Amino acid sequence: EVHLVESGGTLVQPGGSLRLSCAASGFTFSRYWMHWVRQAPGKGLEFVSRIRSDGIWTSYAESVKGRVTISRDNAKNTLYLQMNSLRAEDTAVYYCARSLGDNWNDENPLEYWGQGTLVTVSS
Amino acid sequence: EIVLTQSPGTLSLSPGERATLSCRASQSVSFRYLAWYQQKPGQAPKLLMYGASIRATGIPDRFSGSGSGTDFTLTISRLEPEDFAVYYCQQYGGSVFFGGGTKVEIK
Repeated sequence: EVHLVESGGTLVQPGGSLRLSCAASGFTFSRYWMHWVRQAPGKGLEFVSRIRSDGIWTSYAESVKGRVTISRDNAKNTLYLQMNSLRAEDTAVYYCARSLGDNWNDENPLEYWGQGTLVTVSS
Repeated sequence: EIVLTQSPGTLSLSPGERATLSCRASQSVSFRYLAWYQQKPGQAPKLLMYGASIRATGIPDRFSGSGSGTDFTLTISRLEPEDFAVYYCQQYGGSVFFGGGTKVEIK
């Protein structure tokens, strides 16, 4: 059974940094694209970042570009999101999610989701 | 950037009724890379449909999707009590964007 468990969310001051983790199990982690998607309180879903199975290719939403870095450790079956220069508008539940298929190109929707970790940016 | 506009914002219906949700893209969605997700309060989103019209594993056949280009529709033929939730469309593939969501509430 596929499991994705996010951790690392906490209260952080504006301008601060945080690293989120997503521990994956139940599938061959190194074969799948992985995504981070966030949801501000009471708002809709927003794509944040994604990373190819080999960890080489990445992409980011414009709203976080230059402040956020996605990475993965395929030996540890773990996905990361390093967040710097945090702003109030980054306050959200952050979900990690796995693509439906293991294509080399990211041509799949998100089949499995974690339960999310809450990041609150406030002084 | 592709903007996905979902309508209506809220749909008030009774169990047993038919729900029709719309997702309109500002540019054509390549290869029908359009997905629908259901989200209930306090839960992660759940994949319902992809490729505009393919049901994900375990999704009942009262859910159906259609459309191409810039106009897509999710239809729930007869609403069950567990279907009252928020629904999001998503373009995936070359770029990834979500629509703003449609809340299906009990009338």
